[in-house]
Amino acid sequence: AQSVTQLGSHVSVSEGALVLLRCNYSSSVPPYLFWYVQYPNQGLQLLLKYTTGATLVKGINGFEAEFKKSETSFHLTKPSAHMSDAAEYFCALYTNTGNQFYFGTGTSLTVIP
Amino acid sequence: EPEVTQTPSHQVTQMGQEVILRCVPISNHLYFYWYRQILGQKVEFLVSFYNNEISEKSEIFDDQFSVERPDGSNFTLKIRSTKLEDSAMYFCASSRASHTGELFFGEGSRLTVL
Repeated sequence: AQSVTQLGSHVSVSEGALVLLRCNYSSSVPPYLFWYVQYPNQGLQLLLKYTTGATLVKGINGFEAEFKKSETSFHLTKPSAHMSDAAEYFCALYTNTGNQFYFGTGTSLTVIP
Repeated sequence: EPEVTQTPSHQVTQMGQEVILRCVPISNHLYFYWYRQILGQKVEFLVSFYNNEISEKSEIFDDQFSVERPDGSNFTLKIRSTKLEDSAMYFCASSRASHTGELFFGEGSRLTVL
C-alpha cells in the first residue's frame, strides 16, 4: 500500500532562514513524488515533482527537493524563506498501479519577520 | 495559462439536499479527479475518471456520490442527500496523462451543510 507521512504539521522559520519540510513515503513500486502548495482560499499548485532521472529536483519559487530511495524521503527545502512562502505544503505520491494521488496531511509554514 | 475552473466557489445547503459541483478541466486533459479537504484535515482522494468512466474510487465515494461528464467539457460531482460531514472543500483536478503525474487543481468549491 502507498502512503505519505509529513513530519510536523506546523513549521515556523524566520525570514531568510532555511526552510525544511519533511516527507517520507511508503510504496511497494517506484513512486512519483510531488510537492504542492496551497495559499489561503486557493487550490493546490504544483511546486515540483520527481518522476525519474535526477534525484534533486528544482521547482518554482526557489524550492527544491531530493528523492532519497534509501531513506524513502522527499524533503522540501529552500535556502532562504520569504514572507510570501507562508502557506500549506502537501507532499503527494503517485504510482502506476493506481490512478490516484496519495497526499500527506500537510505542513503549515509560518515565516516570522 | 489554461486552468481548471470550479463553480460554485461556495455553496450552503440544508442537510438532505442534493448538491452538484461543477468543474471545467483543461481542454486537452484526459484524466479527471475529485478530491476533498475537510477543514483542518488532509486532502482525500474521492474518484478518478477516464474515458467517460470511473477508473478508481475511494471508500469515501459511496452510493451518495456520482460523477459524470455530460457534455464533453464539464465534469460534475453530485452529492445526494447531503450530510453534515460532507462539509468540506471539494477540489477538481485534471491531468494530461496519468503517469506524468502533474495534477492541475481548481480553486475548490466550499460546501457547507447545515
